[in-house]
Amino acid sequence: DAGITQSPRHKVTETGTPVTLRCHQTENHRYMYWYRQDPGHGLRLIHYSYGVKDTDKGEVSDGYSVSRSKTEDFLLTLESATSSQTSVYFCAIRGGTGDSPLHFGNGTRLTVT
Amino acid sequence: QKEVEQNSGPLSVPEGAIASLNCTYSDRVSQSFFWYRQYSGKSPELIMSIYSNGDKEDGRFTAQLNKASQYVSLLIRDSQPSDSATYLCAVNKRGSARQLTFGSGTQLTVLP
Repeated sequence: DAGITQSPRHKVTETGTPVTLRCHQTENHRYMYWYRQDPGHGLRLIHYSYGVKDTDKGEVSDGYSVSRSKTEDFLLTLESATSSQTSVYFCAIRGGTGDSPLHFGNGTRLTVT
Repeated sequence: QKEVEQNSGPLSVPEGAIASLNCTYSDRVSQSFFWYRQYSGKSPELIMSIYSNGDKEDGRFTAQLNKASQYVSLLIRDSQPSDSATYLCAVNKRGSARQLTFGSGTQLTVLP
């Protein structure tokens, strides 16, 4: 799967607790993305990164922050988890030219109780 | 208007038939178009990329792009039960990182 590893694969947490999801790539790609997928909404972009320490917001960034201190790692943090953040989270990477497709990790299923 | 729209389905076709999946997009200057297949509980998997008007064939899959009509489609010939999945249309979005915008997906069931 294009050298992308997400961890953890599953997590259950309580409302109000902080949560960090990790995406690790071995492809040395510049661009990394975090999407969430919910029934009826499809895949929606949370944050993305275009290089080390270079990140920007997507369409559903409220309540989320990201960090990228190394090319290979892109972290997504929920500062204070809410039930509305129960979702499946996918990390994706893109290399090559500006028109290259994304390749996805296996996803993290997060449940906030 | 959604940026990328797909018929939500579900779409059912008999084994061996042609499945036709459709997608429209709103950003006229979009340049890159992709079809992903997603099995239940799995991550999206790229199956086709198309960048120019016309048809692009890869095995049993054909992607069709019409930029004037802002329309992209995916045809699956000789459909198999293993093609049963949700198909996601994705369009590149203008911007520095060219992130993709996805449709909500069309669920396809191929009946044996």
